[in-house]
Amino acid sequence: AQSVTQLDSQVPVFEEAPVELRCNYSSSVSVYLFWYVQYPNQGLQLLLKYLSGSTLVKGINGFEAEFNKSQTSFHLRKPSVHISDTAEYFCAVSASNNFNKFYFGSGTKLNVKP
Amino acid sequence: GAVVSQHPSWVICKSGTSVKIECRSLDFQATTMFWYRQFPKQSLMLMATSNEGSKATYEQGVEKDKFLINHASLTLSTLTVTSAHPEDSSFYICSARDRGEQFFGPGTRLTVL
Repeated sequence: AQSVTQLDSQVPVFEEAPVELRCNYSSSVSVYLFWYVQYPNQGLQLLLKYLSGSTLVKGINGFEAEFNKSQTSFHLRKPSVHISDTAEYFCAVSASNNFNKFYFGSGTKLNVKP
Repeated sequence: GAVVSQHPSWVICKSGTSVKIECRSLDFQATTMFWYRQFPKQSLMLMATSNEGSKATYEQGVEKDKFLINHASLTLSTLTVTSAHPEDSSFYICSARDRGEQFFGPGTRLTVL
């Protein structure tokens, strides 16, 4: 089975500062990796995904993530955050041979301050 | 992208009663939907896979008689929490696949008194 660890439950940051949200995973098979964002009272929205190919993945809203197989990480980054980026962010993994089953991290609350 | 809705968004019920949660794919057909549960400050945990026209597949440790799933049409799956108890209080989220991508509903917060 797969598992995901998001070490930071909350990340406070000032507007226009860079941010990195950490995600580490564990799996005995090859994986697909995802980052989702959840705004208050809304569903999960896909930010970006890594399926194969380039390890640097660019997503919506200026976010990007880098897949590092040796460190089993998939950290999410943004060079300059906005107030509107305040939300809960979830990292998820699925086995490449079982795309139906997603394993989620516990989430990181990004709080962007003015 | 595709839209998945859930109803109700929140529900409060008394212990011992049953609660039904609906999950709908609004602009696509979903032969398979998924039900997750999320405790405060914890991960979303997959509970079951709902298959249109057939029985749901439950994850290990999930009581199928407790959490009844019905997927009667290509756009609707329901989760019924039977004889609910306070420990069933949680955030329930459904998702559906459309062209290889998972789309999630907004979730239903269940509080059992």
